[in-house]
Amino acid sequence: NAGVTQTPKFQVLKTGQSMTLQCAQDMNHNSMYWYRQDPGMGLRLIYYSASEGTTDKGEVPNGYNVSRLNKREFSLRLESAAPSQTSVYFCVTDRGPYYGYTFGSGTRLTVV
Amino acid sequence: GENVEQHPSTLSVQEGDSAVIKCTYSDSASNYFPWYKQELGKRPQLIIDIRSNVGEKKDQRIAVTLNKTAKHFSLHITETQPEDSAVYFCAASVNSGGYQKVTFGTGTKLQVIP
Repeated sequence: NAGVTQTPKFQVLKTGQSMTLQCAQDMNHNSMYWYRQDPGMGLRLIYYSASEGTTDKGEVPNGYNVSRLNKREFSLRLESAAPSQTSVYFCVTDRGPYYGYTFGSGTRLTVV
Repeated sequence: GENVEQHPSTLSVQEGDSAVIKCTYSDSASNYFPWYKQELGKRPQLIIDIRSNVGEKKDQRIAVTLNKTAKHFSLHITETQPEDSAVYFCAASVNSGGYQKVTFGTGTKLQVIP
């Protein structure tokens, strides 16, 4: 039982390059989220998916797109990476309201 | 939208002493308040949570209190140990159409000095 699996763990991109962060959960949860974590700014929501087939913008969606491929998988795409997107990205899932989050292991992304 | 403020940003205590981290929130609709611990280089992990219909909850050395009227909630760690050293995040959550709309505090770095 792996919980939430994220790939890759580390990535260095050049400005303008694109990449997709992959996330899969085996917890049979409906809701999935992508957060970014920056020093001094806590965790900020990029996009979320309340259920399979739906996605919505969070607090900081600019420069990102997402795909909820099926109930298990939720990917985050950077079409044209910018240095401001240097961050640690977490994929998250939960059982529903009143239950805590389960975080993936994170992706440390550096854009140079 | 919701705003969660967390204090202090850093906290150093001697091993065995207590540590208290405080958070305030702005949205009276928030009804679930989890706390997460993040060790260096690791993912955040849920350590305790409280629902809005409860004033206090304890789990061994950690406890959380909630004052809905004042929109305050706090994390209390007693008999601190070096392994408690980590960054702690509070959060406030609103049930929004079947998913949680969660706002995090900016974190408290706790250092327990042996």
